[in-house]
Amino acid sequence: EVQLVESGGGLVQPGGSLRLSCAASRFTFSSYAMSWVRQAPGKGLEWVSAISGSGANTNYADSVKGRFTISRDNPENTLYLQMNNLRADDTATYYCAKDRGIAASSTSAFDIWGQGTMVTVSS
Amino acid sequence: SYELTQPPSVSVSAGQTASITCSGDKLGDKYACWYQQKPGQSPVLVIYQDNKRPSGIPERFSGSNSGNTATLTISGTQAMDEADYYCQAWDSSTYVVFGGGTKLTVL
Repeated sequence: EVQLVESGGGLVQPGGSLRLSCAASRFTFSSYAMSWVRQAPGKGLEWVSAISGSGANTNYADSVKGRFTISRDNPENTLYLQMNNLRADDTATYYCAKDRGIAASSTSAFDIWGQGTMVTVSS
Repeated sequence: SYELTQPPSVSVSAGQTASITCSGDKLGDKYACWYQQKPGQSPVLVIYQDNKRPSGIPERFSGSNSGNTATLTISGTQAMDEADYYCQAWDSSTYVVFGGGTKLTVL
């Protein structure tokens, strides 16, 4: 079964850093773009960042640009999100999601989602 | 930045047809997709590229997109369809955009 498993969430103080990981299995990881999507408690979905299958192209939401960095290790089938200078409004469940295509584009749709990892930013 | 607007809630009687709308400027010129999210669960893709159903999604789920509005239609709505539904599109400047979500209640 195609699967995504996130890890790395936790409690961090404002201004701190955290690195999320997403382990992919049972599909050709390098053939698909991947994204991080977050959901604050009781709120809707918010796209955070995307990376192409090769890793050459990345995109970010304005809310995280300059603070978060998305990357991937294709031989290890793993997606990452490095989060720096965290703020209280970054508190959310972070999902990794597989795109149907190799790059974020007009046809982007997320057909596989992980179970999510919770990030809490609080002093 | 590009925005998608959904009604906060929609109610439907079991067995009837539910329609959930998603509005955005010239949305019909873009592809829209829809996700279903039940409490405590991850989202599930139910419609992509306006009107295509992924494998395993029941035929009662359908989609359309024209003008400024995309619509998710659930025919013969069942109790198990009660969930939050999110539309999503891609914009060249904002990239991936989600609507605010619609809570579907099945009466």
